[in-house]
Amino acid sequence: DIVLTQSPALAVSLGQRATISCRASQSVSISRYNLMHWYQQKPGQQPKLLIYRASNLASGIPARFSGSGSGTDFTLTINPVQADDIATYYCQQSRESPPTFGGGTKLELK
Amino acid sequence: EVQLVESGGGLVQPGRSMKLSCAASGFTFSSFPMAWVRQAPTKGLEWVATISTSGGSTYYRDSVKGRFTISRDNAKSTLYLQMNSLRSEDTATYYCTRERAPIAAISYVMDAWGQGASVTVSS
Repeated sequence: DIVLTQSPALAVSLGQRATISCRASQSVSISRYNLMHWYQQKPGQQPKLLIYRASNLASGIPARFSGSGSGTDFTLTINPVQADDIATYYCQQSRESPPTFGGGTKLELK
Repeated sequence: EVQLVESGGGLVQPGRSMKLSCAASGFTFSSFPMAWVRQAPTKGLEWVATISTSGGSTYYRDSVKGRFTISRDNAKSTLYLQMNSLRSEDTATYYCTRERAPIAAISYVMDAWGQGASVTVSS
């Protein structure tokens, strides 16, 4: 299985930029498609798709969220961070079955 | 508005069975692959199973193969997960999810999630 590694937590100040990283144990890119996706989960709620295929904003997601990366290294950026963004963020690959998730990065206020 | 509403969770003894249901609305159910994703208490997310639009193709993680069965009734816009021979490690919140499918193909990208059904396997 492809293993996705995320830092457990990140502390940021409101209004600043947050950069959340995800590293895959092998490439999750096929040709021009980067098969990495990002989800947000707030406490007590279900996850929500933020970004698909590394850099595409899902429907209804604010433009302060963006994604980048290819191969094995991917980044989710939130700029500027708002209070409503405090949550846990998961990366997920769909390059190979089984699809796997990272362990999650908890975004906290500094 | 897309809605996915799970039902059927609860407490079950090890080795017993349980069936989850997910009622879908707000979209053309038969046009989307569907999946179950679970989350153990205080843990991360884990994909469980996916089913194609027609139900003719199913995919499972190794740890549930032979024990769980994903199915769908397109006429009723309902997704199911039959869970047999349950183990303590199956304890989790089970989310019904819709897969993002621009051409109705399986993508393993979950673009809509239900609120989840809690399953506790314990004696």
